[in-house]
Amino acid sequence: SQQGEEDPQALSIQEGENATMNCSYKTSINNLQWYRQNSGRGLVHLILIRSNEREKHSGRLRVTLDTSKKSSSLLITASRAADTASYFCATDGKDSGYSTLTFGKGTMLLVSP
Amino acid sequence: DTAVSQTPKYLVTQMGNDKSIKCEQNLGHDTMYWYKQDSKKFLKIMFSYNNKELIINETVPNRFSPKSPDKAHLNLHINSLELGDSAVYFCASSLTQGAGTEAFFGQGTRLTVV
Repeated sequence: SQQGEEDPQALSIQEGENATMNCSYKTSINNLQWYRQNSGRGLVHLILIRSNEREKHSGRLRVTLDTSKKSSSLLITASRAADTASYFCATDGKDSGYSTLTFGKGTMLLVSP
Repeated sequence: DTAVSQTPKYLVTQMGNDKSIKCEQNLGHDTMYWYKQDSKKFLKIMFSYNNKELIINETVPNRFSPKSPDKAHLNLHINSLELGDSAVYFCASSLTQGAGTEAFFGQGTRLTVV
């Protein structure tokens, strides 16, 4: 069953602006991961945040996790046209016997020059 | 060097045919996966193999049969293709089966059943 739900479904901004995407999930997790998918390509791992972490940074990316609200956000600062892609959150469930990533439907980000 | 490679990239075939998609990873990972991405970009796991053993089979029709000859390869064979099988199929791998490992994805195979 679908675990993550990204919000918004689509986001259009200008270069230099910040982009914030949100993800909500339903069950307990071990960790939450964010992936990027460029058009016609495979997914690329961006960042992983563990269930006992609240915030994590990687370059221009900032991820927060609120396990009490079962939500996460991905902030991309000073966006560039090359950031145009779909962004997916994926949860690594705690209840299943095996580790499985469950993906949301993604946020399509368009960064205009 | 391509980490996870799958072939073919595009596959157009008629209903009722049988087709295979191949996947290989050169990362030395123990775990491999097949995911299906539908037209709305929803990505759903189909199978997971750990060291050639099937560990996850997510209510996929038995027309889909994965085969892992060794831990570096995970192929997907589909019998009696249906229109609804049209999608992009992604192979992925991760270092281990345990929690907290990132997945590395192939470029995808766009399957169109006509």
